[in-house]
Amino acid sequence: GENVEQHPSTLSVQEGDSAVIKCTYSDSASNYFPWYKQELGKRPQLIIDIRSNVGEKKDQRIAVTLNKTAKHFSLHITETQPEDSAVYFCAAELYGNNRLAFGKGNQVVVIP
Amino acid sequence: EAQVTQNPRYLITVTGKKLTVTCSQNMNHEYMSWYRQDPGLGLRQIYYSMNVEVTDKGDVPEGYKVSRKEKRNFPLILESPSPNQTSLYFCASSSPDARNEQFFGPGTRLTVL
Repeated sequence: GENVEQHPSTLSVQEGDSAVIKCTYSDSASNYFPWYKQELGKRPQLIIDIRSNVGEKKDQRIAVTLNKTAKHFSLHITETQPEDSAVYFCAAELYGNNRLAFGKGNQVVVIP
Repeated sequence: EAQVTQNPRYLITVTGKKLTVTCSQNMNHEYMSWYRQDPGLGLRQIYYSMNVEVTDKGDVPEGYKVSRKEKRNFPLILESPSPNQTSLYFCASSSPDARNEQFFGPGTRLTVL
């Protein structure tokens, strides 16, 4: 089955700096890659996603890049703010039927 | 308001006492899933349903049962809970018509003593 790995497990950044989280996946058939943000005590929520027919997608301060050849995708957060502090999960779709395999999550801490 | 609801939100129980965690969505989504979240292990899928009466095991199905008799409901059943099922549980729903975004419920924190 699909195996999704995230690096690093914890990331601390100064407010205003950029944060990058990288995920690798194993199944070359996967073609949908969402990122979820989970604030402390809350449910995961989708923040951005990308499909395999594009290499990059942006939404204000966040962006996702995809390298299908290398089987990795990354989340980029620019001009980080304290409210960006959260756990971020990457995921890859299994078998083309909307089942997702999640990574173990990255704790991002933005230091004011 | 479009939402996924779960009940109860918190539950403390004892080993062997059967329990059910309910999940309901009002978005007419075809797909529903149950996940458990444990520190350092991320979100692991327990069971999955593609539609009414269609369910499939996820990565960690042992000790759990599900049913999908109606499109909106997807209860999680623990017939004989054990302490290793102490966890945070999330239900989620999605649909190809909604870009396949998974909408999560608020979570159920279960403690089995």
